[in-house]
Amino acid sequence: QQPVQSPQAVILREGEDAVINCSSSKALYSVHWYRQKHGEAPVFLMILLKGGEQKGHEKISASFNEKKQQSSLYLTASQLSYSGTYFCGTEIRTSGSRLTFGEGTQLTVNP
Amino acid sequence: NAGVTQTPKFRILKIGQSMTLQCTQDMNHNYMYWYRQDPGMGLKLIYYSVGAGITDKGEVPNGYNVSRSTTEDFPLRLELAAPSQTSVYFCASSYGLRDDLREQYFGPGTRLTVT
Repeated sequence: QQPVQSPQAVILREGEDAVINCSSSKALYSVHWYRQKHGEAPVFLMILLKGGEQKGHEKISASFNEKKQQSSLYLTASQLSYSGTYFCGTEIRTSGSRLTFGEGTQLTVNP
Repeated sequence: NAGVTQTPKFRILKIGQSMTLQCTQDMNHNYMYWYRQDPGMGLKLIYYSVGAGITDKGEVPNGYNVSRSTTEDFPLRLELAAPSQTSVYFCASSYGLRDDLREQYFGPGTRLTVT
């Protein structure tokens, strides 16, 4: 079953923060986050594997609440280069590395 | 290292025609995937493979076929093209066997129009 992402779209000014949420009705083994710029292929950001684990690099981080089957992506002090569509992909234990992607969150960062 | 390459980049098909989308990866990845992405939507898994000779259906396999005779190549075959197959097709690969190496690497995509 497809994970639900929220919000569907968000517009920021440079330097502002944003949170993108991803929730599933199934017990998850992992959550992947990807960013896709217009006309390009998705690019991997990070993977969350353990309950409550938080990962990140620079100003983009993510958390995974295994009990609630929810993940959140945190973008702090946003830059123009953060603009794009963010997808979460969820994996259940028996899926053999298959991901089910959400519909995406379109993030626009304006000067 | 070219990563994941796809050909062609663009293609226009007439209804009822057939074609093969090519995908090759040079990272020695075990897992390969085919997705389609309709405008403004997420990625839907068509077929995937966990190794040479092994393939399985994804969420939307109807109208497509795949084969995997080598680790590097994973072609997607469209038979009797229909307008509903107009989409952007992405091939992806991943190592898959270790938790810290499960990220998927995507090819640049093939934009297909069926008219």
